[in-house]
Amino acid sequence: DAGVIQSPRHEVTEMGQEVTLRCKPISGHNSLFWYRQTMMRGLELLIYFNNNVPIDDSGMPEDRFSAKMPNASFSTLKIQPSEPRDSAVYFCASSPRTGFFYEQYFGPGTRLTVT
Amino acid sequence: KQEVTQIPAALSVPEGENLVLNCSFTDSAIYNLQWFRQDPGKGLTSLLLIQSSQREQTSGRLNASLDKSSGRSTLYIAASQPGDSATYLCAVLNSGYSTLTFGKGTMLLVSP
Repeated sequence: DAGVIQSPRHEVTEMGQEVTLRCKPISGHNSLFWYRQTMMRGLELLIYFNNNVPIDDSGMPEDRFSAKMPNASFSTLKIQPSEPRDSAVYFCASSPRTGFFYEQYFGPGTRLTVT
Repeated sequence: KQEVTQIPAALSVPEGENLVLNCSFTDSAIYNLQWFRQDPGKGLTSLLLIQSSQREQTSGRLNASLDKSSGRSTLYIAASQPGDSATYLCAVLNSGYSTLTFGKGTMLLVSP
């Protein structure tokens, strides 16, 4: 298995632009998580899905952030409009079972820079 | 709100030393605790998961202990190697099962 796949690996954009981050979880996994990592705040959960259904989006910082999971093999995290404070590394992770009880497998991350 | 603290923030040791990384959490009502490894420019890799009813878990040269009542966990690395150089994060799953709370990590450098 190729593991969790994220694209792009690096994204540089200007303030106000729309940014879309993509994630392909490990085949057969039932849960998908989006995290954001910054030096100041560390790693924070943004949203997670069980069986393609959003369960908890309380970590999404603002309405500018939205996430979708149209099917079991694909998810997107969109920021519109982007701001410099959104600069961070965004990780996607998947888990073979629903919820947080089991090991999560992380993708390599997308480093986002908003100028 | 759960808070997870890791001390030290950075650690540099010569190869071969045994070392201990510390993790503390403010709310002892946890379901489990995990230790992760993060290499530069890469995602996290799960190392050990300790259920709240367990005291420790071992994998190779790694041993993680959990003292839930005092809100502490340690990760012991025996006979450290340069390949162990990475950032180590701990994360706790609170008893409400709603989210993992991560520490900011300890950056470890093992020099040959």
